[in-house]
This record gives sequence, structure tokens and C-alpha cells, in this order.
Amino acid sequence: AQSVTQLDSQVPVFEEAPVELRCNYSSSVSVYLFWYVQYPNQGLQLLLKYLSGSTLVKGINGFEAEFNKSQTSFHLRKPSVHISDTAEYFCAVSGGYGQNFVFGPGTRLSVLP
Amino acid sequence: GAGVSQSPRYKVTKRGQDVTLRCDPISSHATLYWYQQALGQGPEFLTYFNYEAQPDKSGLPSDRFSAERPEGSISTLTIQRTEQRDSAMYRCASSLLGGAQETQYFGPGTRLLVL
Repeated sequence: AQSVTQLDSQVPVFEEAPVELRCNYSSSVSVYLFWYVQYPNQGLQLLLKYLSGSTLVKGINGFEAEFNKSQTSFHLRKPSVHISDTAEYFCAVSGGYGQNFVFGPGTRLSVLP
Repeated sequence: GAGVSQSPRYKVTKRGQDVTLRCDPISSHATLYWYQQALGQGPEFLTYFNYEAQPDKSGLPSDRFSAERPEGSISTLTIQRTEQRDSAMYRCASSLLGGAQETQYFGPGTRLLVL
């Protein structure tokens, strides 16, 4: 079984500052890792995902994440945030077998002017 | 369709009533997922379909919850004898073939409030 931890429920940050949203996972099998973003009144949409290969994954809107197997982490980063990045961010893990996605509880990013 | 749609967007019902939620996935997608998302939490898996087959319904919280996808396209999620604890956002997603590595495309959700 897989599980996901997002330790920060809320992250306030000033515009143009860097941000890191933390994600740790546990799994007994190889996993695929995802970050989804939910803007107000919209459905979740994919930011980026790690399947295999390079541990640094680049996604949309200038976000990137690094897979660290030894630390079982998949932290999301952006060097300079915009007001429009204000949203809720969900880390998710999918096992190599089976169909279940397991989402973390989410981190609410608030970008302040 | 161009994206995943869900209806209704909002549903208010009284405890004990039955409700049915609808999901219309991306037309080329074989796999359809249902999630329940409580306030302040991430989506939790309920069940999924590959075409009309329902291989896994382990996430359904009780036998009051059921889902179907009779023709392998539109799906409905029915909650019988609703309880206040059923209040949540219900999200539907679809993916092309259902592989664990695939991106899921989400609808806007149905917010259910049970009074």
C-alpha cells in the first residue's frame, strides 16, 4: 500500500520569491509520482510526473520536482512565483501494480503581492 | 467530449434521500475513476471502470454507494439513504487506458451537501 505526506498544509510566499512544497511517500513497490494543481472552482490538472529516468522533472508553469529515492521524497519547486500560482497542490503516488492513485492532503499555496 | 464533465455541480439534499451524480469522461478514454474529497483533504479513491467493467470498488465506503458505467462511457455514482458524513466533493477522472503511469484528467467535481 502507498501513502503520501504533505507536511505543509499552507504556504504563504511573496510574489517573485522561490517556493518549495514538500512531499514524502511510502510504498512497498516501485511507484510513479505526480503533482496536480487545483485552481479555485476547477478540477485538478497535472503539473508534472516522474515515471523513470532523470530524477529532475520539469512541468508546466515553470515548476519542477526532484525524485529522491533514498529520502522517498518528491518536492515541488519554483524559483519565482506569481500571483496566479495561488492554488492547492496535491502530490500523488501510483503503484506499479494496480490502479489506485493515492493523493496527499494537499498544500495551499498563497502568493502575496 | 473535449474534457471531463460532471453534473450537477452542486447538490443539496436531505438526510435519507438518494442522490445520483453523473460523469461524462473524455470520449476516447477507456478508464474512469471516482474519488471522494472531504474538505481540507486530498481526493480518496472510490472505484474505477475499464470500459463497462468495474475491477475495483474497494474504496466505496459502504453498500449505500454504487457506481455503474453500462455502455463504457458515461458513469453514475449513486448514494442511497444519504447521511451527513457523505457531504463532500465527488470527483471523476478519466485516462486513456488506465495504466498506473498515465495522467488522469479531472472534471470540475460535484459538491454534495447533506442536511
